[in-house]
Amino acid sequence: DGGITQSPKYLFRKEGQNVTLSCEQNLNHDAMYWYRQDPGQGLRLIYYSQIVNDFQKGDIAEGYSVSREKKESFPLTVTSAQKNPTAFYLCASSSDGGYGYTFGSGTRLTVV
Amino acid sequence: QKEVEQDPGPLSVPEGAIVSLNCTYSNSAFQYFMWYRQYSRKGPELLMYTYSSGNKEDGRFTAQVDKSSKYISLFIRDSQPSDSATYLCAMTGGGYQKVTFGTGTKLQVIP
Repeated sequence: DGGITQSPKYLFRKEGQNVTLSCEQNLNHDAMYWYRQDPGQGLRLIYYSQIVNDFQKGDIAEGYSVSREKKESFPLTVTSAQKNPTAFYLCASSSDGGYGYTFGSGTRLTVV
Repeated sequence: QKEVEQDPGPLSVPEGAIVSLNCTYSNSAFQYFMWYRQYSRKGPELLMYTYSSGNKEDGRFTAQVDKSSKYISLFIRDSQPSDSATYLCAMTGGGYQKVTFGTGTKLQVIP
């Protein structure tokens, strides 16, 4: 079945650590996105990529980095520069620019 | 003022009720309007999308867009306990323009 796979489902980060969240899709979608979801704030765009080897910052890119070396994969690294990383992270993809995103099941990141 | 406003709820209704979920927006450039359903600890899934003004029906769900009032609605008929989830509205100007999401309304359908 086609879809988006995010791993791990739960992730714990110590202070000062970088962690990488995985996102893989087999939908042959060109565009991929990373969102952060916090209670009461909705989805906020971190980074997006419309094509391999190219990506753009979203609204809250500080403290995050991404790569897009393959069409299927769009990993997100949460660096130690991100001061408040505890959140639910969602990866999405689309073939038509945004009318219908397919989301993964999310990764819940907690700072310990 | 946020670009998209959505009442966070929670909204509790008895099984079988008609549910009305709403969003208002301020950006007149929005042309495409979506509704997503998100179950707890899961990613959102697309329920419906509409282009410009008008109604669209899919089973028990009806999406309505009133661009003159900058107001969109999702109606759920004969609500079921399985409809209990958070409903997110989303909108965009089209193409690869940014999609703006509402904060979501939490719905609980009580058996």
